[in-house]
Amino acid sequence: QKEVEQNSGPLSVPEGAIASLNCTYSDRVSQSFFWYRQYSGKSPELIMSIYSNGDKEDGRFTAQLNKASQYVSLLIRDSQPSDSATYLCAVNAAKGSARQLTFGSGTQLTVLP
Amino acid sequence: ETGVTQTPRHLVMGMTNKKSLKCEQHLGHNAMYWYKQSAKKPLELMFVYSLEERVENNSVPSRFSPECPNSSHLFLHLHTLQPEDSALYLCASSQSNTEAFFGQGTRLTVV
Repeated sequence: QKEVEQNSGPLSVPEGAIASLNCTYSDRVSQSFFWYRQYSGKSPELIMSIYSNGDKEDGRFTAQLNKASQYVSLLIRDSQPSDSATYLCAVNAAKGSARQLTFGSGTQLTVLP
Repeated sequence: ETGVTQTPRHLVMGMTNKKSLKCEQHLGHNAMYWYKQSAKKPLELMFVYSLEERVENNSVPSRFSPECPNSSHLFLHLHTLQPEDSALYLCASSQSNTEAFFGQGTRLTVV
């Protein structure tokens, strides 16, 4: 089982719609969860972090965390063509004595004008 | 000045060359990372330096050698690379378990 799993997509939504991105993780003791956006040829850019169960909203973005189900999601409201990118879920998972940031394979999102 | 700076941005090297990638973070973080991103593949963690402890991905070949002289600087020394090592190499830093911030990456091509 992969440590962090995402649907690779591609996911297409019309402009103005809600885009829903999902992620599951295998390490039950994970404490920190992040969503990154990566445009083609660029480095990942942090857009949301979430540490406790429930919802966290920041502008058009809402992150949702359910530790019992080992599930984290990202909702993008009023999607814009500029939101078209690959979205990476990252989990701070334990490896030996250190905690390390492990990434999913990413979901490619296309917002259609 | 960006928080995490990587040099060079682009590098072309032959299989017999020796080169080094450099990363510097200005965020006061206590952990630094090297990631490899190949085309159409997920980010692969190569090395972590955290509170002076080094953790490495056992699948990384010995032709990649990291060096972390202090908490602000990280190097990746490259020697006798293979064409399949061509990729985007990303440096990141974080403060313990909090979010990581990435540099702009080095696009490496091995010929």
